[in-house]
Amino acid sequence: QSALTQPPSASGSPGQSVTISCTGTSSDVGGYNYVSWYQQHPGKAPKLMIYEVSKRPSGVPDRFSGSKSGNTASLTVSGLQAEDEADYYCSSYAGSTTLYVFGTGTKVTVL
Amino acid sequence: QVQLVESGGGLVKPGGSLRLSCAASGFTFSDYYMSWIRQAPGKGLEWVSYISSSGSTIYYADSVKGRFTISRDNAKNSLYLQMNSLRAEDTAVYYCARGSGSAGFDYWGQGTLVTVSS
Repeated sequence: QSALTQPPSASGSPGQSVTISCTGTSSDVGGYNYVSWYQQHPGKAPKLMIYEVSKRPSGVPDRFSGSKSGNTASLTVSGLQAEDEADYYCSSYAGSTTLYVFGTGTKVTVL
Repeated sequence: QVQLVESGGGLVKPGGSLRLSCAASGFTFSDYYMSWIRQAPGKGLEWVSYISSSGSTIYYADSVKGRFTISRDNAKNSLYLQMNSLRAEDTAVYYCARGSGSAGFDYWGQGTLVTVSS
């Protein structure tokens, strides 16, 4: 099972929006509404930001939103803030054999 | 508050073994699925293994199948990963995480570093 494909980097100025894509196949992203997104600051553990494509855990700002179309999921960060600068990873359920697959990761830079 | 604390990492020679532990607190451990996820230095995340709340259902990534064994002790609020026949490519920070990827891994430990080198 290959990793989901994400762009290596994305950037935006404070206050702007940035959208990160996560492309898989019909066996993972396209086949289930079980896409989640994680934020990871350097040297820290990942933090869940979005689950089940578009749901936000308690405490995650509503500036973070998720969506999916076909085999591609997206994370949008609106109103970029300095603390949003981090690596972001998507993940998807991939069926009863592989179970879960992560994306390649995207480094978000706040200019 | 929810806490997951991993331990047991270290330096091991290729072919060697290591047992990781994850101590859970702040929630009813026996109610939750748990997973191990790893991250090689400078690389992305890789799901390693999953165990259901009762321990009756277990899955492994192909990369570790037959070499790693996940287990849990609900009486001790602990999750384990027995790693045998270790290879250089198993070098990574190993995280324990609560939940299943279906609904997101909602809490993560701080990770424990495993280095496989001669």
